[in-house]
Amino acid sequence: GAGVSQSPSNKVTEKGKDVELRCDPISGHTALYWYRQSLGQGLEFLIYFQGNSAPDKSGLPSDRFSAERTGGSVSTLTIQRTQQEDSAVYLCASWGPSSYNEQFFGPGTRLTVL
Amino acid sequence: AQSVTQPDIHITVSEGASLELRCNYSYGATPYLFWYVQSPGQGLQLLLKYFSGDTLVQGIKGFEAEFKRSQSSFNLRKPSVHWSDAAEYFCAVGGNFGNEKLTFGTGTRLTIIP
Repeated sequence: GAGVSQSPSNKVTEKGKDVELRCDPISGHTALYWYRQSLGQGLEFLIYFQGNSAPDKSGLPSDRFSAERTGGSVSTLTIQRTQQEDSAVYLCASWGPSSYNEQFFGPGTRLTVL
Repeated sequence: AQSVTQPDIHITVSEGASLELRCNYSYGATPYLFWYVQSPGQGLQLLLKYFSGDTLVQGIKGFEAEFKRSQSSFNLRKPSVHWSDAAEYFCAVGGNFGNEKLTFGTGTRLTIIP
């Protein structure tokens, strides 16, 4: 596609439920990033994929958070047993050798945990 | 550890006035510097980026930024703001040709008064 897409655009869930957020990067982009934007914490890095490997998971806030990437393309961020503090906008970005040194961001998924 | 400081949380300027948003960074190697803009309910849009060469870089929407290594700064400027420039502005630093996690500042919210 022309840009990075994310789904769903909005997700409302109850505390304790699991959620899955999806990211479709730009075709051919080898690197994929997840960030989170919340009122208290600003924009923060979560995890980075190069291909299907995740060499940097340093930003995942707890073991309730996990992510995978398959086929060097689509990525899924899973949050188990959601808490109210997980409410945020989750942004995905992708990068490729032809992306002129910049990461391209998707529109984000707004997660609300009730 | 890398970091970005945007000292101004909120700035108000009159339409037609000049604008300067401050950004200071800390990074151990050659920095890749970015300014993003986010309008309410919208995703991140790249305004401009710097990684080498001329220290004054031009971006979209009439914005420019100057890289000053001695001051570890990358301030964003616009000679004459328009009402449509009202938004949140984020400075970010990364490395490795942009293929590295970005560290963002806390953002500066810009309000334009008629």
